[in-house]
Amino acid sequence: GAGVSQTPSNKVTEKGKYVELRCDPISGHTALYWYRQSLGQGPEFLIYFQGTGAADDSGLPNDRFFAVRPEGSVSTLKIQRTERGDSAVYLCASRETGDTGELFFGEGSRLTVL
Amino acid sequence: RKEVEQDPGPFNVPEGATVAFNCTYSNSASQSFFWYRQDCRKEPKLLMSVYSSGNEDGRFTAQLNRASQYISLLIRDSKLSDSATYLCVVPSNAGGTSYGKLTFGQGTILTVHP
Repeated sequence: GAGVSQTPSNKVTEKGKYVELRCDPISGHTALYWYRQSLGQGPEFLIYFQGTGAADDSGLPNDRFFAVRPEGSVSTLKIQRTERGDSAVYLCASRETGDTGELFFGEGSRLTVL
Repeated sequence: RKEVEQDPGPFNVPEGATVAFNCTYSNSASQSFFWYRQDCRKEPKLLMSVYSSGNEDGRFTAQLNRASQYISLLIRDSKLSDSATYLCVVPSNAGGTSYGKLTFGQGTILTVHP
């Protein structure tokens, strides 16, 4: 079946603009994660959904960042008033219910804030 | 101590060499551990899971030392195709399970040359 799909694959925006990044997880996966990755660094945890609810949003850097998953499938990461420091690859991953631990990642959305 | 800390690397080794990476973690409650592999400009993919003292899969061996809170990855008979970034992943939620927040290390770059 299809893997995790993320759109857009590339987004260039200007400082101060609003951005939405979309993640379509593997069908049936109840857990969904958002990470961001800067050059030379490992993925940095942002938020974790179990079903529709955000079970852990401790990684969101500030209140400009918000994520939703209204029907327990597709998720959208929203960034308000973008700053140059927000430039990174935003990775989405999904996982089956159960303690297998394997995250299936999408190819990421590369955000560039000018 | 950082939640997850890895050898800085990079490691440059000839084909056929044996190379080992270490990873230390701070959450003593962690019950499961993972090594992911990330190729350049690609998404991370699971390489190995470690649930008890260790795990072996062909040329790859992962070992866990709970007392010292570190895990290691050993690669024997390195191949050119092993060139990648290796990411250590540790649950950093209170329960130490992989159901929640998973923290990635910064990654160790491996280059295998002819």
